[in-house]
Amino acid sequence: DAGITQSPRHKVTETGTPVTLRCHQTENHRYMYWYRQDPGHGLRLIHYSYGVKDTDKGEVSDGYSVSRSKTEDFLLTLESATSSQTSVYFCAISESTPYQAGNTEAFFGQGTRLTVV
Amino acid sequence: RKEVEQDPGPFNVPEGATVAFNCTYSNSASQSFFWYRQDCRKEPKLLMSVYSSGNEDGRFTAQLNRASQYISLLIRDSKLSDSATYLCVVNAGYSTLTFGKGTMLLVSP
Repeated sequence: DAGITQSPRHKVTETGTPVTLRCHQTENHRYMYWYRQDPGHGLRLIHYSYGVKDTDKGEVSDGYSVSRSKTEDFLLTLESATSSQTSVYFCAISESTPYQAGNTEAFFGQGTRLTVV
Repeated sequence: RKEVEQDPGPFNVPEGATVAFNCTYSNSASQSFFWYRQDCRKEPKLLMSVYSSGNEDGRFTAQLNRASQYISLLIRDSKLSDSATYLCVVNAGYSTLTFGKGTMLLVSP
């Protein structure tokens, strides 16, 4: 299995509080992604990173920010948590992108189950 | 129109059956296609890439029809362990992937 870990695995937080989720990889992959998965919506991309300090928005980025100061760590911050952000959050990594040569497989972390009350 | 559409199922089949899933995608410029498998309350994992000429991996066969913009997955001789949700995945631009909502398969004894 790819070396990717998410922390925490479970969290309950109150509305209005900031929350940071961490994704750590030991594979030295360039690309890192944050998704959320909700019933009826499937996996939706929040933000992604294509290198240290290089990030871009996905389709559901409102209310979220990210940072990547080291290759191995990608942080997702909910600036002021809302009940609509209750979800399962998955981090993923890949060595290259679909348009590049090489291994484009995306490896996922085990997920973080976040509940905002 | 959703970018990647799949029948959510569930598909209920007995062991040993053959089952097929289809998926349609809206972006005609898409270049890369995949099937991922997700077990209940687990992370998605790559099942197989889908190539233009079609490809097979054991009991699994994937096909791509670019003209009609659909992808298929055929599972032969279904096993109980094949019970899972199968996600159709298509590249969305240069660096990202778009996931379908998944098709649930339940294989019964």
